[in-house]
Amino acid sequence: EAEVAQSPRYKITEKSQAVAFWCDPISGHATLYWYRQILGQGPELLVQFQDESVVDDSQLPKDRFSAERLKGVDSTLKIQPAELGDSAMYLCASSRRGNADTQYFGPGTRLTVL
Amino acid sequence: SQQGEEDPQALSIQEGENATMNCSYKTSINNLQWYRQNSGRGLVHLILIRSNEREKHSGRLRVTLDTSKKSSSLLITASRAADTASYFCATDALDSNYQLIWGAGTKLIIKP
Repeated sequence: EAEVAQSPRYKITEKSQAVAFWCDPISGHATLYWYRQILGQGPELLVQFQDESVVDDSQLPKDRFSAERLKGVDSTLKIQPAELGDSAMYLCASSRRGNADTQYFGPGTRLTVL
Repeated sequence: SQQGEEDPQALSIQEGENATMNCSYKTSINNLQWYRQNSGRGLVHLILIRSNEREKHSGRLRVTLDTSKKSSSLLITASRAADTASYFCATDALDSNYQLIWGAGTKLIIKP
């Protein structure tokens, strides 16, 4: 069964350092999502891609976060510089068509900023 | 912003008992979905119910939707230890461009 791949699974960094997360969605899925999930809360959408285009990044802190999906397949989420409050689980998901469709999630990257 | 609110926040029951979790939301929706998240892992889709549906079943899962009360419930029958997880409802709506809006989840613990 196809799965969404994410790496790394865990990342520990010091504040002010740069970090990057990678996601490979299920083949053929046009829509890719990056979520942030703080412990004890539900996911919060950071950015949504349709193929290689950003369709929603209204919740992305653009002064320090960036995301790209250059060829419309895999994607990278970057934080520079990392802050203590960025400690969270970063989840990637994909879906075939877009909003209102079932989303398939990767295992996530647990980020700890010291 | 979170539209869905799950209730209770935490639930602990004996294996074999039924577990019921509720979700309330604020605005008119298109669909409501339930997802499960095992500790420290990604989310797994369980079931989707459309706004014109009132009840849906999948194996040991039963979901109901009451659009007049803006609420949904997830029933897990004959619970097993493997059902221990957090359960989230997520809604999509026209006025949010069908973006999924998530609740804070119910943490379910099944005691052996």
